[in-house]
Amino acid sequence: ILNVEQSPQSLHVQEGDSTNFTCSFPSSNFYALHWYRWETAKSPKALFVMTLNGDEKKKGRISATLNTKEGYSYLYIKGSQPEDSATYLCAPGGSQGNLIFGKGTKLSVKP
Amino acid sequence: NAGVTQTPKFQVLKTGQSMTLQCAQDMNHNSMYWYRQDPGMGLRLIYYSASEGTTDKGEVPNGYNVSRLNKREFSLRLESAAPSQTSVYFCASFRGSLSYEQYFGPGTRLTVT
Repeated sequence: ILNVEQSPQSLHVQEGDSTNFTCSFPSSNFYALHWYRWETAKSPKALFVMTLNGDEKKKGRISATLNTKEGYSYLYIKGSQPEDSATYLCAPGGSQGNLIFGKGTKLSVKP
Repeated sequence: NAGVTQTPKFQVLKTGQSMTLQCAQDMNHNSMYWYRQDPGMGLRLIYYSASEGTTDKGEVPNGYNVSRLNKREFSLRLESAAPSQTSVYFCASFRGSLSYEQYFGPGTRLTVT
């Protein structure tokens, strides 16, 4: 079973701060790396799916990078807003889409 | 498009009772998954079905059975509920191509007393 580590566990920032989180995973048997955003009392929603070493994806103020050789991915949020407050989950996926989730990074953005 | 739907939304069971959680998707996805979410543990995969007619164990399959009824529906059964199965259960579906994401249902909150 893969060991997926996310850091930090939680993060408190002020509105306007930029921030980043780390996801590390064993680099063998890698097929895809997923990032999800999970708001309280809702279900997880996909942010990015990356498959290739060196992949970079961007959606508005949020971006992610992937290094499959060393087994890590970074998620960046530029100019955090209160609505960015959520738990951010990463999950490497197997060949059948079976994901192993990290425990997440809980972000709180104060106005 | 309703996406992924789950029933029921909430359920309270007594220890030893059985029940089936239902999941359906209308996106014509090949693969479906059941996860449980516990405080401090994140999402853990219980069982999955990569395609109609197949099912496989995930990280935490003990105490559960699944049925892929057809391409749309994937059910999770607790034969004899235990307090350790108190959790929020999420169903997800996936198109089957590696560059695509999983879509999650709204969850079922189950309490076993």
